[in-house]
Parts: sequence; C-alpha cells; structure tokens
Amino acid sequence: QKEVEQNSGPLSVPEGAIASLNCTYSDRVSQSFFWYRQYSGKSPELIMSIYSNGDKEDGRFTAQLNKASQYVSLLIRDSQPSDSATYLCAVRADRGSTLGRLYFGRGTQLTVWP
Amino acid sequence: DTGVSQDPRHKITKRGQNVTFRCDPISEHNRLYWYRQTLGQGPEFLTYFQNEAQLEKSRLLSDRFSAERPKGSFSTLEIQRTEQGDSAMYLCASSRTVNTEAFFGQGTRLTVV
Repeated sequence: QKEVEQNSGPLSVPEGAIASLNCTYSDRVSQSFFWYRQYSGKSPELIMSIYSNGDKEDGRFTAQLNKASQYVSLLIRDSQPSDSATYLCAVRADRGSTLGRLYFGRGTQLTVWP
Repeated sequence: DTGVSQDPRHKITKRGQNVTFRCDPISEHNRLYWYRQTLGQGPEFLTYFQNEAQLEKSRLLSDRFSAERPKGSFSTLEIQRTEQGDSAMYLCASSRTVNTEAFFGQGTRLTVV
C-alpha cells in the first residue's frame, strides 16, 4: 500500500506571507507528483505537477521535489484569502498493476487571513 | 473545451435504494477514474478504465458497486442497496493517457438517509 502523508493543519498565514505545504510518500520508485487545490464542497483542481528533482515555478506557486528524501512541497508566495482551501498531495503509481492510479494524502487545510 | 462532467451533482436517496452516476470525460481522454471522498479525507481510488476496459477495482468496491464504460466514452457507477456508509462525494477524473495529468469533474455528492 502506497502511503502519502500530509500535515492536516490547519495552516494559517496572513495575507502576503509564504505558505509552505509538505508531503512525504512511501513508494521510492514514484516519479510523478501533483498538487490539487480543493475548495470546501468542491472537487479537486490540479494546480501543479512535478516530475524531476528540484523546483518548478508557476506564478505564485512553486513545487519542490526531493526524491532521495521522498519529499514534495508546495510554496505559495504572496498568499491571498482566495488561496484558502485544502491542498491535496497526490503521487501517481508509475509501474506495476496500479499503473496510473493516484494516491492522495488527507490534505492540508490552509487559511489566509486578511 | 469542456472539462469532465458528472451528473447528478447531488443525490439524496433512502437506504436500500439503487443509484447510478454518470461521468463524461474530456474528449479523447482514454483513461477514466472513479474515486470516493469522505469528509476530512483525500480521494480514495475505486476503479479505472482504459477505453472500455476496466483495469482494476479497489477492495473498497464491494459487490454492490459496479462501473461500466461501454463505448469507451462516458462511464456509469451504480451502487445497489445503498447504505449510510456510502454517503460521500464520488469523483470522476480523466487523463489522455496513463502518463498525463488527471482532471476531476465536479463530483456527485451522495447522501443516504
């Protein structure tokens, strides 16, 4: 069973600050990692994907991957109240009988206060 | 360009009734996934299709659950003899191939009373 662990939070940051969300995973051979944002009562929305070690930036979002440490993170710069949501870390099985399946963490609830 | 579409958005049913949900994936997406999400949890995998072939079913998918994707386009998820424990958000996602990103529909929220 592949495990994906996230700090459930809640994480609370002031507007304009950097929010840092963390995720660890158990499957050492995983190659594909995703961050989904989920507003209350809504479905997950893909915001970042990362496949290689290092940083990937997209606007105010930066995903960081360290495969040796089995760690992936999401940084949100200049946080806005509209960023308040639950952020789900997902790891895709890239081989074996579960090829293509996404394994999710429980999500980290982020609140950005004005 | 339309995203993944799910119908209905909400369903309230009495315990013991059967329900069916529909998912229309993004056009030309070969992979279609069903997940279930309960409050405070991440989505849990139920089953997935490569075109019309159902490739895997989770142990969560008891014999009361069945899913189809008859022509490799839309998919249906049926739950027979619903139980209160089936109350959850049922999510459908699709991806172009096994190696591409998956996008979710709006979900169907099921409440069993």
